[in-house]
Amino acid sequence: SQQGEEDPQALSIQEGENATMNCSYKTSINNLQWYRQNSGRGLVHLILIRSNEREKHSGRLRVTLDTSKKSSSLLITASRAADTASYFCVSHGIQGAQKLVFGQGTRLTINP
Amino acid sequence: GAGVSQTPSNKVTEKGKYVELRCDPISGHTALYWYRQSLGQGPEFLIYFQGTGAADDSGLPNDRFFAVRPEGSVSTLKIQRTERGDSAVYLCASSLQGFNEQFFGPGTRLTVL
Repeated sequence: SQQGEEDPQALSIQEGENATMNCSYKTSINNLQWYRQNSGRGLVHLILIRSNEREKHSGRLRVTLDTSKKSSSLLITASRAADTASYFCVSHGIQGAQKLVFGQGTRLTINP
Repeated sequence: GAGVSQTPSNKVTEKGKYVELRCDPISGHTALYWYRQSLGQGPEFLIYFQGTGAADDSGLPNDRFFAVRPEGSVSTLKIQRTERGDSAVYLCASSLQGFNEQFFGPGTRLTVL
């Protein structure tokens, strides 16, 4: 896999608002994944989007992929305190290695 | 349990000592990975096993680090002559062969004094 660069590095919003995080990568991909890490549940896989998909939903999560811009975004709607966590994107190339290469992530804080 | 488990959850040791960290993957997962994470950083890849063999050990920082998976299930990460810079959270993950999604354990927090 290759390292994604998440943006912003930190984001603080009020509970109930939507949160958007962005990810950029450098080379052609087969798929891209988003992971979440918090102190309660550790590092957890959220969603995988394939290179031939443009948008994918899972509950309050919406992921988009723009392969022409080599970027992805993660939208969390109606945020909750439990969404406070760090979010990482990881992309896999066509012949990507199995290992995951993480960036520094986006630190999301949901304020009550 | 159904998830990846790691023991111990915390390990405090003195500089120069030897430590072993254990990972028990999800049953049936043939792929196993070790990562380490320093404060404020994303996890950093160490080594990947497919079955019993190390398929990619390019992330091991030096020869003080070694990992085994003798029966293709439980894995042990071994660190010799520990240094203060080895202090980190060591994460283990497993996955089904051919699937990119990895399932992570809670980690072992290693502190070298």
